[in-house]
Amino acid sequence: AQSVTQLGSHVSVSEGALVLLRCNYSSSVPPYLFWYVQYPNQGLQLLLKYTSAATLVKGINGFEAEFKKSETSFHLTKPSAHMSDAAEYFCAVSDQGGAQKLVFGQGTRLTINP
Amino acid sequence: DGGITQSPKYLFRKEGQNVTLSCEQNLNHDAMYWYRQDPGQGLRLIYYSQIVNDFQKGDIAEGYSVSREKKESFPLTVTSAQKNPTAFYLCASSINLGQAYEQFFGPGTRLTVL
Repeated sequence: AQSVTQLGSHVSVSEGALVLLRCNYSSSVPPYLFWYVQYPNQGLQLLLKYTSAATLVKGINGFEAEFKKSETSFHLTKPSAHMSDAAEYFCAVSDQGGAQKLVFGQGTRLTINP
Repeated sequence: DGGITQSPKYLFRKEGQNVTLSCEQNLNHDAMYWYRQDPGQGLRLIYYSQIVNDFQKGDIAEGYSVSREKKESFPLTVTSAQKNPTAFYLCASSINLGQAYEQFFGPGTRLTVL
């Protein structure tokens, strides 16, 4: 079974600073990987996804993530944090079973300091 | 606008009562999903459905039931057998089952057992 580990349940950065949210996965075959964002009391919104094309994936709101097979990582970055980026972020990997069952990480809550 | 609606947004239930959470989508998606979200645990899959009149158990199906009588609707019933039902419930849909298909999420229903 596949799994996802997000390092750091809480990350705090200053406005304008680099955002780095870490995600490592385990998989015996090439995975499909996703980053979702959740604002308080709302559903999840897709930021970006990796589907075995380019290893550097650009998403919405200035976020991007790089797939590194050797490190089994898919870290999410943004060069300059905005106050509006404060939210919870989830990394997810698709299950290799017959159905597309997403396996989610525990989530990382991002706080932006003014 | 196409999307997923969930109702109600907040739901209170007395112990021993069954309650039904609504999920409707107008995206013409074949696959639909129900997740449960608890703080610090990410999202866990309850049930999913690929097609009308067919659904499969997810990782935590005990104490829950679903139906899929129409393509656009996938209601979830939380039964009295669910020992700890207080949580945030999210419904999602995707074009079909498949590893690369993005899942679209509804705004969620917060269930509280009194």
